[in-house]
Amino acid sequence: SYELTQPPSVSVSPGQSARITCSGDALPKRYAYWYHQKSGQAPVLVIYEDTKRPSGIPERFSGSSSGTMATLTISGAQVEDEADYYCYSTDSSDSHGLWVFGGGTKLTVL
Amino acid sequence: EVQLVESGGGFVQSGGSLRLSCAASGFTFSRYWMTWVRHTPGKGLEWVANIKEDGSARNYVDSVKGRFTISRDNAKNSLYLHMNSLRAEDTAVYYCARDRSDLDYWGQGTLVTVSS
Repeated sequence: SYELTQPPSVSVSPGQSARITCSGDALPKRYAYWYHQKSGQAPVLVIYEDTKRPSGIPERFSGSSSGTMATLTISGAQVEDEADYYCYSTDSSDSHGLWVFGGGTKLTVL
Repeated sequence: EVQLVESGGGFVQSGGSLRLSCAASGFTFSRYWMTWVRHTPGKGLEWVANIKEDGSARNYVDSVKGRFTISRDNAKNSLYLHMNSLRAEDTAVYYCARDRSDLDYWGQGTLVTVSS
């Protein structure tokens, strides 16, 4: 089965840039999506189709993808950005086939 | 305003069954795929199943195939997850989400606890 690999944790100081990577063999052909989830809350979409930011998501959140790796960057991370971050994608040619989440990355900002 | 409200979670013995519901409002339910996702503190988020707008196509993660059934009633703007032969490892918060490929709206989740 398809897997997406993320680092378990990333730690930065407030104001620094945080980069969270997601590795998957199908990412050259398939979009990556990014969610953050704070404790006890539902996940929130922060990046879709590799680079697009939904309305209401701060400009400091950006996404990129190159080869088998997608990256979420938080430029000038703030304490309120502390959360678990998950990438999401599929290796199916059918956009509504089987999907997977990465294992998640705990972002600490302190 | 788009709203998704899950219900039906609870405590169940291993081998038991539950039916989760997701009531949708604020959008034309019948025009969207819908997805169930679950979350456990140890494993993170796991995609569980999705269903086409008219219910004619469904997909499942391998670990629930043959035990879970996703269904919908477009007349009632409702999504369901029928869970049979439940195992301890199915313990999780279950979320329904609107599916455009991205999952742009989520419910608040409902907790399922399976006791072994």
